[in-house]
Amino acid sequence: EAQVTQNPRYLITVTGKKLTVTCSQNMNHEYMSWYRQDPGLGLRQIYYSMNVEVTDKGDVPEGYKVSRKEKRNFPLILESPSPNQTSLYFCASSSRVNGETQYFGPGTRLLVL
Amino acid sequence: QKEVEQDPGPLSVPEGAIVSLNCTYSNSAFQYFMWYRQYSRKGPELLMYTYSSGNKEDGRFTAQVDKSSKYISLFIRDSQPSDSATYLCAMKESGYSTLTFGKGTMLLVSP
Repeated sequence: EAQVTQNPRYLITVTGKKLTVTCSQNMNHEYMSWYRQDPGLGLRQIYYSMNVEVTDKGDVPEGYKVSRKEKRNFPLILESPSPNQTSLYFCASSSRVNGETQYFGPGTRLLVL
Repeated sequence: QKEVEQDPGPLSVPEGAIVSLNCTYSNSAFQYFMWYRQYSRKGPELLMYTYSSGNKEDGRFTAQVDKSSKYISLFIRDSQPSDSATYLCAMKESGYSTLTFGKGTMLLVSP
C-alpha cells in the first residue's frame, strides 16, 4: 500500500530536549516536505527536499532541521524545542512528474512543556 | 494581503444541500489548483486538481477555476454527512514549486 508514515504520532516533551520525528514514504517520490498546522494559521511549510541531499527552507524553518540521506526518509529534528513549537506536524511526498499530488502522512501531535 | 484567502467557516448545511467552497488568490503565476479534504485527526488527502482555468467534475464534486478573477470554487452536490471535513485549497506555479495552502473551510453536513 502506498503510504507516508510518521513516528511518533503523539509526543509530549519538555523545553530544550532534542527530538526527532521520522517520516518515510514507499512510493519512490523525489519530493518530500514538512508542514505544521496550527489553528487559525493553516498549513505552513517548514522545509522541503527535492531529492537526496537537497533540502531548502520553507516558510517557517526557524528552530527546525532536516536531512535527506535516503530517498525514502526525511526526518524532522528539533534541536531545542520550545513551547511555540507545540503543533500538529505533517510530512508529505510527491513525485517530480506529478508534484501537485502530495501524499500526506497521518500527522504527529507535539506538545512542548 | 495574504496570498490565498479562504473563509474558515464553519459552514453548516443539511444533508442533500449543494455546497460551495471558495478561495481567492493574488499570485497570477499560480497554474495548478487543488482541493484537499482533511478529516478530523487525519492528514489532508487530494480531492481534485485543475490545471489553469476551467471546470473539472468527479462524481458529486466539481472544481472551477477563474484565473481572470483569481477565484476558485469547489461544489459538492447532494452533500452527505460523510462530507463533513475541512476543505483546503492549494495552488502552485508551473514546474517544481511549493504548494500554497488556504487555511481551510470546515464543513458540517447534518443528517
